[in-house]
Amino acid sequence: EPEVTQTPSHQVTQMGQEVILRCVPISNHLYFYWYRQILGQKVEFLVSFYNNEISEKSEIFDDQFSVERPDGSNFTLKIRSTKLEDSAMYFCASSVEKTSEQFFGPGTRLTVL
Amino acid sequence: AQTVTQSQPEMSVQEAETVTLSCTYDTSENNYYLFWYKQPPSRQMILVIRQEAYKQQNATENRFSVNFQKAAKSFSLKISDSQLGDTAMYFCAFMMANAGGTSYGKLTFGQGTILTVHP
Repeated sequence: EPEVTQTPSHQVTQMGQEVILRCVPISNHLYFYWYRQILGQKVEFLVSFYNNEISEKSEIFDDQFSVERPDGSNFTLKIRSTKLEDSAMYFCASSVEKTSEQFFGPGTRLTVL
Repeated sequence: AQTVTQSQPEMSVQEAETVTLSCTYDTSENNYYLFWYKQPPSRQMILVIRQEAYKQQNATENRFSVNFQKAAKSFSLKISDSQLGDTAMYFCAFMMANAGGTSYGKLTFGQGTILTVHP
């Protein structure tokens, strides 16, 4: 059964460094999402992406964040200059249509030191 | 803005028994979807069940069913004949269903309920 995959599973970085989190959505899906979950808090929406552009973004998704679908299979989240408060589990998801079931990846745990 | 509240941080149940997880939400929208997602330990979130707000009939998927009370903005999940494999974090989630296209599938999640099924 097709799955969303994410790499790496765990990323440790120094404050101020750039990180790129990678996701491979399910191949026939058209809508892509990033969510994050800070330890002990709710899963929060970051951004949705369709037709090679951002469809919707939350107030968390500021200028330090960007998303890209560089090659038709990968979907990446870049954080330009990480802060301590960016430490969280980041989940990628994809769906066939915007209101259909979202399939989630296993997450990348980002630790900013 | 929509909010989703799960008031039970943890629940436990004996194998083969029935358990109900609570979820309430707040929205001024009339058309929306509600979901229950399950996240087993160290594994990814998977969809358990989905409810369209315009449907009065409660959704059912095998041992999983919901009690959707639109006026009360309540959406509880009932798990019958609980199995050890049901042990997981359960998230309730809300999605707007905007025919005008301004909603792009954003899910708003509750805090989650950790369910432990004991043998």
